[in-house]
Amino acid sequence: EDQVTQSPEALRLQEGESSSLNCSYTVSGLRGLFWYRQDPGKGPEFLFTLYSAGEEKEKERLKATLTKKESFLHITAPKPEDSATYLCAVRISNSGYALNFGKGTSLLVTP
Amino acid sequence: GAVVSQHPSWVICKSGTSVKIECRSLDFQATTMFWYRQFPKQSLMLMATSNEGSKATYEQGVEKDKFLINHASLTLSTLTVTSAHPEDSSFYICSALPGSSFSSEQYFGPGTRLTVT
Repeated sequence: EDQVTQSPEALRLQEGESSSLNCSYTVSGLRGLFWYRQDPGKGPEFLFTLYSAGEEKEKERLKATLTKKESFLHITAPKPEDSATYLCAVRISNSGYALNFGKGTSLLVTP
Repeated sequence: GAVVSQHPSWVICKSGTSVKIECRSLDFQATTMFWYRQFPKQSLMLMATSNEGSKATYEQGVEKDKFLINHASLTLSTLTVTSAHPEDSSFYICSALPGSSFSSEQYFGPGTRLTVT
């Protein structure tokens, strides 16, 4: 069964304290891994798409990487405004364009 | 660019009534839209895939007669929750796939909070 598992479930960081979020997947026929940010009571905001192992993408303090089994979202020197839930999703070969989401990591960055 | 809106943002209805939620792509055409449901502290669960001009495809366990989806144009999809019950209370989120995009990013609406009393 195709699965997407995110860890940790929750993470609390001090401002400036870098860390990484993990998304491991067991799917057949991966056709893209997606990272989204979701603020409370709002829809997900697109961050990155990764398609092949070894691929990396960066945006401000965020950097996403992909291996054959997992993806990491690295947060460098986070700020309080980075506090949100970060969702990982995969698109698999027999799902059309639909996404299978993990449960997310709730990140809190304190001043 | 790539803005998706939903209306209403929140709605309270009585048990047994029907509620319609609209999802619009504001600055692009979307041949495909998706409807998700999210319960508190849970992730998004795909309910159905909506294609313009054709019948929606529902995920296993989602009642198509209860959750009516109409994708009447390239910028509008609607979800109607019929005969709503308290267990239908949830956060409903739509997403849209740009028809002209060579990538596969979906852009999400802000969500609709449904409370059935």
